[in-house]
Amino acid sequence: KAGVTQTPRYLIKTRGQQVTLSCSPISGHRSVSWYQQTPGQGLQFLFEYFSETQRNKGNFPGRFSGRQFSNSRSEMNVSTLELGDSALYLCASSPGTESNQPQHFGDGTRLSIL
Amino acid sequence: QKEVEQNSGPLSVPEGAIASLNCTYSDRGSQSFFWYRQYSGKSPELIMFIYSNGDKEDGRFTAQLNKASQYVSLLIRDSQPSDSATYLCAVKGNDMRFGAGTRLTVKP
Repeated sequence: KAGVTQTPRYLIKTRGQQVTLSCSPISGHRSVSWYQQTPGQGLQFLFEYFSETQRNKGNFPGRFSGRQFSNSRSEMNVSTLELGDSALYLCASSPGTESNQPQHFGDGTRLSIL
Repeated sequence: QKEVEQNSGPLSVPEGAIASLNCTYSDRGSQSFFWYRQYSGKSPELIMFIYSNGDKEDGRFTAQLNKASQYVSLLIRDSQPSDSATYLCAVKGNDMRFGAGTRLTVKP
């Protein structure tokens, strides 16, 4: 069974631009969560989607948004990029939203803002 | 107070020893607890999860949970150099919250 697939793996953008990252969950998984990982802040929760609906949202500005499609694939968008948005963005999927279902991570997209 | 706290380390143990990693959490409503391993430059990899008080063993790994003390730990027996990584504690209530991770080094 294929794992969580994130594209692209690496991305370089400049301040003010916007970016869209993609995540394909493990086959059969319907819940997708996004995280930002930086050396200073660690892994921080961005949002969780299930059945095309955002279930939870972390403490990030409105520049960060996401969506989920009917096939469970998800995208996240960051607008008006800032230098501080440079990070590893990780997507994780699980079968559903029950608390006893662990999340499995993709390899991440490393975003660098110049 | 951070929601999920871990000693940042680094924790250094000799090969063959037991490594003990600890985690405390603040949300008493948390229901599930996970340990992930993250090698440098890689994404987190699930090692174990535990929901009930007590111990859960899987090979060389044992997770321990004490909900009354809001404490979860991971023991790695017979530590190997390949266990050298950062170990992330994750706690799930309404959403998943991660600790900052403990860096473990196993010296040959």
